[in-house]
Amino acid sequence: GESVGLHLPTLSVQEGDNSIINCAYSNSASDYFIWYKQESGKGPQFIIDIRSNMDKRQGQRVTVLLNKTVKHLSLQIAATQPGDSAVYFCAETSMYSGGGADGLTFGKGTHLIIQP
Amino acid sequence: GAVVSQHPSWVICKSGTSVKIECRSLDFQATTMFWYRQFPKQSLMLMATSNEGSKATYEQGVEKDKFLINHASLTLSTLTVTSAHPEDSSFYICSAEPWGRVRETQYFGPGTRLLVL
Repeated sequence: GESVGLHLPTLSVQEGDNSIINCAYSNSASDYFIWYKQESGKGPQFIIDIRSNMDKRQGQRVTVLLNKTVKHLSLQIAATQPGDSAVYFCAETSMYSGGGADGLTFGKGTHLIIQP
Repeated sequence: GAVVSQHPSWVICKSGTSVKIECRSLDFQATTMFWYRQFPKQSLMLMATSNEGSKATYEQGVEKDKFLINHASLTLSTLTVTSAHPEDSSFYICSAEPWGRVRETQYFGPGTRLLVL
């Protein structure tokens, strides 16, 4: 994903509803994807990851879907709670690019707001 | 487990001074650490990859003489912003990759907010 722009997209959902956050990635060589949650003034917090040999992975209240054909990633959060309010970023990297470890390329981010 | 700390959490300095930021992996060893920068309402941008015992690798557009990185041990990497200017004001975040688990989850520090007056 390309990190540009001064304004983050915002998604507002009612408490208890499910939310879906989408991310488009650009590097077809990327084979490892991660979703992070970032609260104001804090570092990113790992939520869930998925490798390119999978198209779905579930965690506690979260599900990540990967569509490699259209280079799309989504994060589903079930039964949202006030504590889910944060900015969510997708990140991508290539595990097998050779040499040493690679840094992550972050998407633009989505600000999730939970309405009471 | 897998806790990464940063120090200081915030710093205010005058233009022209140098600022050192520390990144420590507290309960694991990390041969590779990464430094990111985040401007307000924007995403994280990778600045450089810090490798223990060798020179850092900088991303395109990042001045290596301005952002000095030292990774002297398996648990500590430092970023020094030399001759800081107001445009360097940003949120600096490091991450660490546990040794032996290459290209798996990176663990992020809490970030350091730098304000240059």
